[in-house]
This record gives sequence, C-alpha cells and structure tokens, in this order.
Amino acid sequence: EPEVTQTPSHQVTQMGQEVILRCVPISNHLYFYWYRQILGQKVEFLVSFYNNEISEKSEIFDDQFSVERPDGSNFTLKIRSTKLEDSAMYFCASSDTRGSLDEQFFGPGTRLTVL
Amino acid sequence: AQKITQTQPGMFVQEKEAVTLDCTYDTSDPSYGLFWYKQPSSGEMIFLIYQGSYDQQNATEGRYSLNFQKARKSANLVISASQLGDSAMYFCAMRGRNTGGFKTIFGAGTRLFVKA
Repeated sequence: EPEVTQTPSHQVTQMGQEVILRCVPISNHLYFYWYRQILGQKVEFLVSFYNNEISEKSEIFDDQFSVERPDGSNFTLKIRSTKLEDSAMYFCASSDTRGSLDEQFFGPGTRLTVL
Repeated sequence: AQKITQTQPGMFVQEKEAVTLDCTYDTSDPSYGLFWYKQPSSGEMIFLIYQGSYDQQNATEGRYSLNFQKARKSANLVISASQLGDSAMYFCAMRGRNTGGFKTIFGAGTRLFVKA
C-alpha cells in the first residue's frame, strides 16, 4: 500500500540553524500539507501546497518557514533560523483531491529538537 | 470558524469492554468531513474512520464506529471489545468544503488507557 515517507525521523539542531524536513508524498497525489504537533499538544495545520504554490497557510507559518517541491517526488519544509519553540513533531500529508470528503494520508513524522 | 472539542483528556477502559470517546464540533460549512486518528506512543498518525456530513448512516470500520449526531454536532468514536493495543492518543478532526478543504482542524485529543 502506498504511503507518505518522511526523513529524517529525528532531527536535532542548534537554535538559529536552518533545517530542512523532507517528505515523499504518495506518487499520484496533488495536494501536500505540513502539520506541527508540539509535545503534548494538538496537531496544528501549517501550510497546504498545490500546483507549485501555497494554497493556504496558518498564522504559525511566518517568514521563517518555506515549502518547496524541488522535483517530482519530494516536498520539503525549511525553517530558516530555528527557535526553541520550533521543537515539535512535524507531519507531512498528501491527498489526491482537496475535498473535505477525502482522507489526507499522514507520514510518520519528523521529531525536531532545537537546543 | 471551525472548532473541534474533545472534553476527555484521559479515559480508562477494561480490556474487552467498549468505550466512547467524545467529540463535538462547530462549523458553518454545509459540507464537511469528520475524521478520527489514533496516535500511539511511537508518534505516527493512524487514520481510523471517516464520516461525511451528508452520510445517512454512521460509519463503521471493524471495531470502530462513529456515532454521528448532526443536530447536536457530535461525532463520538466507539471502540468495541477494547484491546491493550488500543492504548493511545485519539484525535477527532474535521475538514470543511467551504474553507477550501485544505486544512484539517484537530481536537486536543483523548488519551485512552486500556487495563488488563
């Protein structure tokens, strides 16, 4: 069964450093998403991406964040200058349509720890 | 604005018994989808069950069923015959068509503990 994959599973970085989280969505999917879950809290939407541009973003997704689909398979989330409060689990998701009736398939997550 | 409320931060259930996890929601969208996800201690999000707002029947998937009461805006998850492996965090979530269907809104979650 096709699945969303994410690398790395765990990333440790120093405050102020740039990190790139990588995701490989399901191959025929067109819509891509990033979510964040701070430890012990609920999952929060960050951004959605379609047709090589951002479709929607939350207030969390400020200028420190960017997303990119550099080739036909990868979808990346970049944090330019990490802060302590960026420590969280980051989930990538993909779907083949944008409709509310369709499942977004989640990857296993990347746990980011900012020291 | 859309909102999901899960009022039970933690629940205990005896193995082999049924348990209901509560979820209420608020939305102005006439068409929306409701989802339940399981998050074990390993951290991944596992899709369990989906209910569309226009579905006439409550969704069922194996031991999971969704008690959908549209007028009360509730979408409770029922797990029958609980197993030790059901111990996890459970999130109720929603996506609405009028908001573009892009983002999924999650509740705060309920941590389920299954006792042997």
